[in-house]
Amino acid sequence: DTEVTQTPKHLVMGMTNKKSLKCEQHMGHRAMYWYKQKAKKPPELMFVYSYEKLSINESVPSRFSPECPNSSLLNLHLHALQPEDSALYLCASSQAGPGVTDTQYFGPGTRLTVL
Amino acid sequence: DAKTTQPTSMDCAEGRAANLPCNHSTISGNEYVYWYRQIHSQGPQYIIHGLKNNETNEMASLIITEDRKSSTLILPHATLRDTAVYYCIGCMNTGFQKLVFGTGTRLLVSP
Repeated sequence: DTEVTQTPKHLVMGMTNKKSLKCEQHMGHRAMYWYKQKAKKPPELMFVYSYEKLSINESVPSRFSPECPNSSLLNLHLHALQPEDSALYLCASSQAGPGVTDTQYFGPGTRLTVL
Repeated sequence: DAKTTQPTSMDCAEGRAANLPCNHSTISGNEYVYWYRQIHSQGPQYIIHGLKNNETNEMASLIITEDRKSSTLILPHATLRDTAVYYCIGCMNTGFQKLVFGTGTRLLVSP
């Protein structure tokens, strides 16, 4: 099973709403990632969790709050977003670990629209 | 991480080989060359990676020049389903993988 699942598929929210994106994998991977992809642009890395600890935050605004409750689950909590935050949010996971030639498996993404 | 340069777009006839080039002249000795692709509105998909030697798997072949300054991804018999944006990325393997996507090559496979 090489599947990364993301819910919801689509999300429309107002600028005062609080919502969460969810990502799950059952491949035993120990690294999980959030990317943001604007229309017609390449994905941009937002956060990396390695062994459930936040390892990289690419200077993402605090209105995006990641959470890794366990090794299979990754959440992205959203609060007070702006219309320019509308994008496809992609989750990925990889095996990680020393001596491992890593590859990332991506989920299908959540398409977020902020009104 | 190495900066990579790829053509913006390429066309290929169905059933022919698609050869996608990538320049990575600043790649360091311990950086791998990774290829991912993204079919419209889907998550990126891993294709293949290599360090020095040429590599082949069920999806594609990767040819890396001896000086490692460039590489070519080969899809031996392109199908319409191979239409996608292809990303060449230089990346180290240090426990987890920090991918920096460039603009990629938009490959259009036509009947």
